[in-house]
Parts: sequence; C-alpha cells; structure tokens
Amino acid sequence: AQSVAQPEDQVNVAEGNPLTVKCTYSVSGNPYLFWYVQYPNRGLQFLLKYITGDNLVKGSYGFEAEFNKSQTSFHLKKPSALVSDSALYFCAVRDSRYNFNKFYFGSGTKLNVKP
Amino acid sequence: AAGVIQSPRHLIKEKRETATLKCYPIPRHDTVYWYQQGPGQDPQFLISFYEKMQSDKGSIPDRFSAQQFSDYHSELNMSSLELGDSALYFCASSLGRGVPVQYFGPGTRLTVT
Repeated sequence: AQSVAQPEDQVNVAEGNPLTVKCTYSVSGNPYLFWYVQYPNRGLQFLLKYITGDNLVKGSYGFEAEFNKSQTSFHLKKPSALVSDSALYFCAVRDSRYNFNKFYFGSGTKLNVKP
Repeated sequence: AAGVIQSPRHLIKEKRETATLKCYPIPRHDTVYWYQQGPGQDPQFLISFYEKMQSDKGSIPDRFSAQQFSDYHSELNMSSLELGDSALYFCASSLGRGVPVQYFGPGTRLTVT
C-alpha cells in the first residue's frame, strides 16, 4: 500500500535559521515525490518534485528536498527561513507502478517561522 | 498566467440536498483531479479524468459522481449531502502523461447544515 507520513504536526523555527520538514513514504515501486505548500484558504502550490536522478532537488522559493532511498525519506529543507514561509506543507507520493494519477498526501506539517 | 478556476468558492447546503461543483482547468491541460480536504485533514483523492475519461478513482462516495466535458471543464455532483461532506473541495489540473505537476485551484468550501 502507498502512504506518506509527516511525523511532525508543527515545526517552529526562528527567522534566518535553517528549517527541515520531514517526510517518509511507502510505495511498492519507485516513488515520485512532491512537496506542496498551502496558505490559509488557498489551494496547494507546487514546490518541487523528485522523479529520478540527483537526490537533492531544488525548488521554488529557495526550498530543496533530499531523497534518501535507504531511509525512504524526502525531507524538505531551506537554509534560511523567512517569516513568509509560515504555512502548511504537504508531502505527496505517487507510485511509479500503480494508480497513474493517484497521489497520496501526508497529513501536513504546520511551519511557524518567528521573527 | 491562467490558473485553475473553481466555482462557487463557497456553498452552503442542507442535509439531503444536492450540490454541483465546477472546475475549469488551466488551458490545454488534459487531466483533472478532485480532492476533498476535511478540517485539519490532508487532501484525499476522489477521482481523476484524462482526456474526458475517468482515469483513477479514490475514496469517492457512491453519492458523488463526476465527469469531464468536451471543453475539459469538470463537475463534481454530490447528492444526499451529509454533515460529514462539509469540507474544502479542490480541483487540480495537469498536462500530459509521465509525472506531471498538479496545479490546484483555490477550492470550494462546502458547508452542509
């Protein structure tokens, strides 16, 4: 079965400090992994995706994510957090072998960046 | 750039009524997805359409149906509404096969009273 886990409901970080939002996944085949951000009362916005290739993926707004196959993780990172990064972050996975258009989302992690 | 359009943005219905949500994908996008996000929940995949044909089905109740029309817009029809159907309903669209990025609309907030 396919699934995504975001173990932290909330992450607090001071502005200017590095941030990490954790995500682990479980799929039968190779994973296609995504990060989305959601601001209040808004739709999800795409940040980045991993399909194949380099394990470090760079995305929008200075975010990056590292794919780790042995740990089945795809943690979202940013070297220096901004207050405007405060939002809800969702990790999503699609199994390369099944369910062509079906994405599985994690439960979301609320990121709070304090001035 | 054009984005995914959803209408209405807010909808209030009573139990046992019906509701129709509309989604207009980004121009030239060939795939539409519907998600349901309950309060404090992650988005749950309901159904998707590729080139006007249903391509995948998720946790969509039998009371719900959806279709994609010739102009690629999609409608989610919900009947016999229940209180538990109150949620934010997102539509997303993408282009092409492979591993496309899904672009989400702003959502329709449905409240069932």
